[in-house]
This record gives sequence, C-alpha cells and structure tokens, in this order.
Amino acid sequence: EVQLVESGGGLVQPGGSLRLSCAASGFTFSNYEMNWVRQAPGKGLEWVSYISNSGSTIYYADSVKGRFTISRDNAKNSLYLQMNSVGAEDTAVYYCARNTDSWGQGALVTVSS
Amino acid sequence: QAVLTQPASLSASPGASASLTCTLRSGINVVTYNIYWYQQKPGSPPQYLLRYRSDSDKHSGSGVPSRFSGSKDASANVGILLISGLQSEDEADYYCMIWYSSGWVFGGGTKLTVL
Repeated sequence: EVQLVESGGGLVQPGGSLRLSCAASGFTFSNYEMNWVRQAPGKGLEWVSYISNSGSTIYYADSVKGRFTISRDNAKNSLYLQMNSVGAEDTAVYYCARNTDSWGQGALVTVSS
Repeated sequence: QAVLTQPASLSASPGASASLTCTLRSGINVVTYNIYWYQQKPGSPPQYLLRYRSDSDKHSGSGVPSRFSGSKDASANVGILLISGLQSEDEADYYCMIWYSSGWVFGGGTKLTVL
C-alpha cells in the first residue's frame, strides 16, 4: 500500500524558515516523480513544486520561486521542502503527492507572529 | 483569465447524473491535454479519480467506481467529469488539473451537493 506521511509542519513567524519532510513507503520511491501541493484554509489546491525521480529536474510555482527548495533522498525514501522567508500567504496544509495519483494526509503550516 | 475554470457549485439529486465541467482558457486546446480529476471531502486529502485524454487513452484510480467517467467537449474546450447514479457519499469538492507550462495547474474546484 502506498503511504506518504508528511511531517515538520507547525507555527513559524513571518520571515522564518521551516522544513517539511515526506516519508514514502509501499512503492519504489526512486521510480516516481514527486510534487508538493498546498491548500490554504477554505481555499482550493495550489501546486508548489515538482521534482523528477532522479532529482535532476525541478520546477516551482512563481509564488514560491526563490524562497522554497524541493529535494529528495532516494536512499531514505524521503521528499523535502525547505521553506524560507515565509509569509502569511504561505499558511496552508502542505501535501506531498506521488506523481498524480497518491497524496499524503498533509502537514499544516501556520505563519503568524 | 484562469487556465482552468470550474463552476463554484453544483447540486443534483440522488440517483441522477452530474456533469462537472473544467473549461480551458482560450488558446489551450483541451484535445492535447490529459485532464485529471480529484475528489476531496472535508478534512481529507484529495483522492485521485481518473485521467482522461481520449476514449482510447484514459485511466481510473484504484477502487474508483465505474460511475465516475471522463470525457471532453472539444467544441467548447471543456473537460468533463460525469458522475452517474449519484449517491450521498459523492458530496464533495471536485478539482480538475492539467500539467501546463512546467507545472500542475488546478481549477478552482466545484462543490457538489447531493440533495
């Protein structure tokens, strides 16, 4: 069974940093592209970032480019999202997603002073 | 104009069929894209329903009932999620998605009410 478990969410001050992790199991992680998608409270889905299975290709949404960094460790079956210079607009549940077909339960990130 | 536009809400009766639409912005040809559909219930992550490109190129998620199907209306530049035999458990938010310009793009979502 595919499992994706996000961790690292919490309360962070504006301008601060946070690192999200996503632990993958139940499939060969190194074979799959991965994404981060977020959902602000009461709002729709917003794609954040993509990383290819090898990590060689990365894309970001314009809203996070230059502030967020996606990475992966295939040996540890883990996906990461380093979030820097966060603002109130980054408050959301952050989901990791395997390609297009499986999503984790999400990690809540709240940016507030 | 948004890349993908979905009606904010739709209501339908149990047992009826519901067509949820996803309109692509002018200049983005629906024929050439895979349209993905997701269902999200309150407090839960989105669940993958299906991918539709054409009748010969489509995929349904694991465990997704056959009541859910995809199609396109090329003349209107629209992707469609058809849910037949509506059940109360189908009440949820539905999102369409395409891979566009080096990223996923989601529609704003349609809240389906079954009453």
